[in-house]
Amino acid sequence: NAGVTQTPKFQVLKTGQSMTLQCAQDMNHEYMSWYRQDPGMGLRLIHYSVGAGITDQGEVPNGYNVSRSTTEDFPLRLLSAAPSQTSVYFCASSYEGQGAGNRELFFGEGSRLTVL
Amino acid sequence: GNSVTQMEGPVTLSEEAFLTINCTYTATGYPSLFWYVQYPGEGLQLLLKATKADDKGSNKGFEATYRKETTSFHLEKGSVQVSDSAVYFCALSNNAGNMLTFGGGTRLMVKP
Repeated sequence: NAGVTQTPKFQVLKTGQSMTLQCAQDMNHEYMSWYRQDPGMGLRLIHYSVGAGITDQGEVPNGYNVSRSTTEDFPLRLLSAAPSQTSVYFCASSYEGQGAGNRELFFGEGSRLTVL
Repeated sequence: GNSVTQMEGPVTLSEEAFLTINCTYTATGYPSLFWYVQYPGEGLQLLLKATKADDKGSNKGFEATYRKETTSFHLEKGSVQVSDSAVYFCALSNNAGNMLTFGGGTRLMVKP
C-alpha cells in the first residue's frame, strides 16, 4: 500500500540549477496537488490538477511548472532554483477531480529542498 | 480571499490535560472546514472535517464544531496523550472545492 510517493526526500541545489520533484500515486486519484510548507505559514498551494491533461495554478505558482500526462504522476519542475524556494514540498491527492477540496487529501512524506 | 488563523504554539500540556486549539477563518460562501495532523517526519493526515454550519467533526477523541456565527472551528480533546504530540493544521476549502487554505499550524507537545 504505497499511497503517495515523493522522490527525492532531500535535495540541495545551487541557485540557477533546475530539478524535478517526482510524485506518484497508486490509488487512481483524479486530483493531485503540490504544496510548500514554510515555518509559521502553513501549507500553500503551488499547482493542482483535476485529471490527466488538466493543470491549474494555486496560490504561489511562480517559479514552478507542472504537467499531468498520466493519472498516476504529477511532477513539479523548478526551472531556475532560487533561495526563496528553499522549503519542504508535499504532494497530495484525492479521489475526485471537481470538488476534491471537500474530500480527504492523502499526502506524501515530503521532499526537503535547500537552494544555496 | 480566504484565510485561516490559528493560535501560535507551541502548546505544552501534561498527559490527560484538556486541549483547545483555536481556529478562526475568513471566507466567502460556505466552505468546508478541516483539521489535519502532522506527526514528526510524516505528511499530513486528515483528523476530522465539517461541511456545514453547526456540524461537529470527531475522530480519535478530538472534536470541532463549525460555528458560522463566530467563524470558528476550534479543536478540542478532553484528555491528551503523549502520542498526540504533533503539529495541527486548520484548513478550509474554497467554494469550487479545488483548493485548501491552511493555517500556520500549532505544535502540541504532551509531557508524561
